[in-house]
Amino acid sequence: AQRVTQPEKLLSVFKGAPVELKCNYSYSGSPELFWYVQYSRQRLQLLLRHISRESIKGFTADLNKGETSFHLKKPFAQEEDSAMYYCALSNAGGTSYGKLTFGQGTILTVHP
Amino acid sequence: DAGVTQSPTHLIKTRGQQVTLRCSPKSGHDTVSWYQQALGQGPQFIFQYYEEEERQRGNFPDRFSGHQFPNYSSELNVNALLLGDSALYLCASSAQHTTAQRSFFGQGTRLTVV
Repeated sequence: AQRVTQPEKLLSVFKGAPVELKCNYSYSGSPELFWYVQYSRQRLQLLLRHISRESIKGFTADLNKGETSFHLKKPFAQEEDSAMYYCALSNAGGTSYGKLTFGQGTILTVHP
Repeated sequence: DAGVTQSPTHLIKTRGQQVTLRCSPKSGHDTVSWYQQALGQGPQFIFQYYEEEERQRGNFPDRFSGHQFPNYSSELNVNALLLGDSALYLCASSAQHTTAQRSFFGQGTRLTVV
């Protein structure tokens, strides 16, 4: 069974401080990992995908298969980063193409 | 492109009633997935439609059913509503034949069962 765990429900940092949102997963096959973000009053939107190894809005995430983790990091948090962040997992290929399993989410608050 | 659109945005129903929620996918997308998001929880996968058929399903009872039309739009039907069905229902669309596996989400329909 697929499972995604985000151990922190709430995370508060000050502007300019580093931030790390934790995500652990369990899946027996080859997963594809994502981070989604939901800003206040906006729809859920994709932040980044592990296979593209991109940096979006200064955020990066590295898939660590040994630790089954996909933590989201940013060296210097900005107030506009305050939002709800969801880690999600999908099977790579097969009949579960496009099905996402989400964690419970972490609310990030960046204080001025 | 309006992206993924859902209707209605809010809905109040009484226990035991039936409800239909609607979703229009992003232009160029042919796959529609439905998710239920209870308060304080992450979205949970209900089912996915492709080529007008339910292709996969999550752990939801048969009271939850759906349909996909030839224009790729989709409906989610819930029968015999329970108080516990109160949630935000999200529709997500994606394109099967692309290398970028990503889902675009609608704003959701907030269903309240009283």
